[in-house]
Amino acid sequence: AQSVTQLDSHVSVSEGTPVLLRCNYSSSYSPSLFWYVQHPNKGLQLLLKYTSAATLVKGINGFEAEFKKSETSFHLTKPSAHMSDAAEYFCVVSEAHDMRFGAGTRLTVKP
Amino acid sequence: EAGVAQSPRYKIIEKRQSVAFWCNPISGHATLYWYQQILGQGPKLLIQFQNNGVVDDSQLPKDRFSAERLKGVDSTLKIQPAKLEDSAVYLCASSSTETQYFGPGTRLLVL
Repeated sequence: AQSVTQLDSHVSVSEGTPVLLRCNYSSSYSPSLFWYVQHPNKGLQLLLKYTSAATLVKGINGFEAEFKKSETSFHLTKPSAHMSDAAEYFCVVSEAHDMRFGAGTRLTVKP
Repeated sequence: EAGVAQSPRYKIIEKRQSVAFWCNPISGHATLYWYQQILGQGPKLLIQFQNNGVVDDSQLPKDRFSAERLKGVDSTLKIQPAKLEDSAVYLCASSSTETQYFGPGTRLLVL
């Protein structure tokens, strides 16, 4: 079965500096990959998704992720962090509507 | 377009009591999911419906949890009797393609 590992449980950056949230996946097939964000007491919001088209995927709020099959990675990046980016981020791998979530990475943004 | 609706948003009960959650998916979405998200963890799939049929309930604790989607639209998830370890956020999601859209969740506290 597919699985996903988020390599950092907590990432802390200063406002205006780059963000890197790391995700490795395991899948028997060509998976779909997603990043979701969860703000405190809010529902999960889709940031971006990869479904076997372009390997560099652009999402909302300036986030993007690159699918690297050779490294089985799907890291999330943003050039410049904003205070409003502070939240929990989940990497998700999906095969045929069966989604498996990572444990999450908590992003803290310092002023 | 209206999103996924869930109610109640919060519920506090004592152990051994019963509780029910309600979900109304996005109009036209055939697939509906219930997830359990324990504090500090990623969501875990409990049950997946396609229209009013169950696709996957392998991780649903069937001795105490039940779910139904009788008319293929809204759905209820019930816990009877509740245990302390059921304290979590219960998320409902719906989809028409591989992308799932999540509701705000119901936060359950079992005392």
